Amino acid sequence: QITLKESGPTLMKPTQTLTLTCTFSGFSLTTSGMGVGWIRQPPGKALEWVAVIYWDDNKRYSPSLKSRVTITRDTSKYQVVLTMTDVDPLDTGTYFCAHVLTTRGRAFDIWGQGTTVTVSS
Amino acid sequence: EVVLTQSPGTLSLSPGERATLSCRASQSVSSNYLMWYQQKPGQAPRLLIYGASSRATGIPDRFSGSGSGTDFTLTISRLEPEDFAVYYCLVYVNTPLYTFGQGTKLDIK
Repeated sequence: QITLKESGPTLMKPTQTLTLTCTFSGFSLTTSGMGVGWIRQPPGKALEWVAVIYWDDNKRYSPSLKSRVTITRDTSKYQVVLTMTDVDPLDTGTYFCAHVLTTRGRAFDIWGQGTTVTVSS
Repeated sequence: EVVLTQSPGTLSLSPGERATLSCRASQSVSSNYLMWYQQKPGQAPRLLIYGASSRATGIPDRFSGSGSGTDFTLTISRLEPEDFAVYYCLVYVNTPLYTFGQGTKLDIK
């Protein structure tokens, strides 16, 4: 059974660096075809893809966030970390991590519950 | 860059009725990489459909997906009370890799 859980700070000040951790179980991120993505959702708004990392350590980023975001993995800890620099109130929202199976249309098939981040001075 | 436009923005129907939700892409996309999600308030999205028409594990058969090229449809054959939620389409393409639609809210009439 695959599960994912996000963790990180709930309150940030503008210009700070946000670090979110996705701790997962039920799969290995070294197994061919596996991936973990980050998706965020501002309050009352639509979902927005942020980044994804694959079993071969290939990393891809949303063009609009690429200059501020880094995704990394720690395979021994079953964790994926998202770092976002220079946060702004527009980065406020719920951040989800999700499992990707490239053989299932690259869909985000299993999601964590999400973690809420507020950026405010 | 691909843009997904969902319509209508809000759909008001009654339980037992048929719901048809549309997702239109600004350019042709592979149906292999078109997905539909359901999201209820305070919850994470749930995968309903992948590959435009394949139901995800545990999804009731009243949910079906269809389409190709630029036009895709999610159909709910007979609405149950638990189906009232927001629905998103998502596509995987080369650039910008993943794009979500803006969502369709399905609410009770």
